[in-house]
Amino acid sequence: DIQLTQSPSFLSASVGDRVTITCRASQGISSYLAWYQQKPGKAPKLLIYAASTLQSGVPSRFSGSGSGTEFTLTISSLQPEDFATYYCQQLNSYLRYTFGQGTKLEIK
Amino acid sequence: QLQLQESGPGLVKPSETLSLTCTVSGGSISSSSYYWGWIRQPPGKGLEWIGSIYYSGSTYYNPSLKSRVTISVDTSKNQFSLKLSSVTAADTAVYYCARERSGRGFDYWGQGTLVTVSS
Repeated sequence: DIQLTQSPSFLSASVGDRVTITCRASQGISSYLAWYQQKPGKAPKLLIYAASTLQSGVPSRFSGSGSGTEFTLTISSLQPEDFATYYCQQLNSYLRYTFGQGTKLEIK
Repeated sequence: QLQLQESGPGLVKPSETLSLTCTVSGGSISSSSYYWGWIRQPPGKGLEWIGSIYYSGSTYYNPSLKSRVTISVDTSKNQFSLKLSSVTAADTAVYYCARERSGRGFDYWGQGTLVTVSS
């Protein structure tokens, strides 16, 4: 199976900061990568699919890039509501999906 | 607005079978554009995809769970279901149902239901 490794696992930042989370795949997955945001006690929310396409209704401060084995999620200017855990998911291995271990973004 | 709702027992005994149903409202489960999936999350841990089903009944399972998992669909009730056999404490988790646009991620999720495996 394809393994996804996110870095960092924990990130402390301030409102207004620009932050980047990286997701590395154990083998090439083209652009079949999605990013999710999860807040405590809530279901994950799809932010980005196809590595760089913003899901409808998601603020434009979120962006994604990458292809192959290395991907990034960037939040251009952190807002208070952005403090959450973020997961990447690969959807290339045909219907054998895997998630990254998560990155917890905390307020500094 | 599409909504998904999980239902089923919150407590299951070890070695028994966990059974959950996801009811879809505000849209048809028979749409050719989507798959329907189950994902779980042990307390304090990350997400694990369990499997997905197409309205025709075609199923796709996580290889690590495949021997214990059955996902089925009932288009007349706009529902799909999960059965996980021979459960242990390691299967204790919040179980989510979700809609998937093939290869584009899960865009609608249920609220999740906690299933505890304990005697």
